Order: sequence, then structure tokens, then C-alpha cells
Amino acid sequence: SQQGEEDPQALSIQEGENATMNCSYKTSINNLQWYRQNSGRGLVHLILIRSNEREKHSGRLRVTLDTSKKSSSLLITASRAADTASYFCATDWGNDMRFGAGTRLTVKP
Amino acid sequence: KAGVTQTPRYLIKTRGQQVTLSCSPISGHRSVSWYQQTPGQGLQFLFEYFSETQRNKGNFPGRFSGRQFSNSRSEMNVSTLELGDSALYLCASSLNRGLDEQYFGPGTRLTVT
Repeated sequence: SQQGEEDPQALSIQEGENATMNCSYKTSINNLQWYRQNSGRGLVHLILIRSNEREKHSGRLRVTLDTSKKSSSLLITASRAADTASYFCATDWGNDMRFGAGTRLTVKP
Repeated sequence: KAGVTQTPRYLIKTRGQQVTLSCSPISGHRSVSWYQQTPGQGLQFLFEYFSETQRNKGNFPGRFSGRQFSNSRSEMNVSTLELGDSALYLCASSLNRGLDEQYFGPGTRLTVT
């Protein structure tokens, strides 16, 4: 079973716009991570936020975490065509990691 | 530093056969986790190995097994293949236990006919 669920399932924007995707999870976590996957290839780690953190930045990425609502959001600012990919949130579930179904982001040039 | 490598990249097998996939983690990483990715089920955790011991196992039948060697390289084996085993199998390594940042390989695309 999946621990996290991303919303929306798909998102299409123009280059230069911001993209926001959300992740909700069911149980208490120690950390939450975001990954990116291009065209059915391996995943690339984007950012990790721990349960005692509320916001984290990495370049054009901003992640927030609200443990009271069991949700996280990933904001990509000034998007580029190269940001086209699927984005997954992952949370620790017991002793392993569980991934959501992902948000498919398309950035049109 | 070289990334995670997986071999082979593509594989076609027939129902009933068995298959072995290989994963070489990043040098110094001690944890290797395996995932199955399908369009219908998404990314599902198979198992994690750390210091040559299976630490966790996902909800998969016993046909799925794995092992880790002393150099941290890992193999996973699927016996008596079924059509539903067609998937992208991803291996990920991490420095310690697999609950922190994981580095994924490109995957092995397995097709069962």
C-alpha cells in the first residue's frame, strides 16, 4: 500500500510559471522526501525534509511540511522544459520507504 | 563517484523462467533497496539489504528474493516468472539504513512474455 498520495495527478504549465504539487500521508513520519523521474528512468533525489522542519529550499525548489495536516508541498519556481518529469513524495513507513503515485508535470516551452 | 549501476538494463523472459538482476551501489554505501515500478501499482518496496542481511521485506511473494555480498553489491532473483512481473526494477543505495536519501540506478526493464 502507498503511504503518500500526490495531488494533482497531472499538471501542465508554461515555461516560466510556478508549479505546485502536494503530498498527503497517513501516519506519523520521521522525514519526507521528494524525487523526480524522467521518462521511466531512475529516480533522482530532490530534497529531504525532517519532521521537525517546516520549510526547506534547494535552488528553485521549496518544500513545506505540515505535520498537523500530514501534508507536504513542492513548489518549483520559474519552471523550465527540463523540469518535465514525474515527481514523487516518499515517506518512511516503519522501516522502509513508501512512495506515492506521483504527479506528472509537463512544462511547455 | 560512480553512481548506482544495474545490469542488465533490459531483459525479456518467458513465463515460468527465473531471472537474476544485479545492482552495484555507490562506493561506501552499505544499504541497498529494491523497488518494483509498474503503471498500475506504482513504486513498491521489495526489500532492503544492509550489511549482507535482509532488513525489511515488502508485500511480495516468496518468488522474489535477494542477497547482498560483502562488497555491498546486491542481486535480486525472481523465480517462476509471471506476466505480472513485467516491470521496471529499481535499485537504490544509501550510506546507512535506507530511510534517508537514496540514490537510484537506471533500472532493469523486465518483460515477461
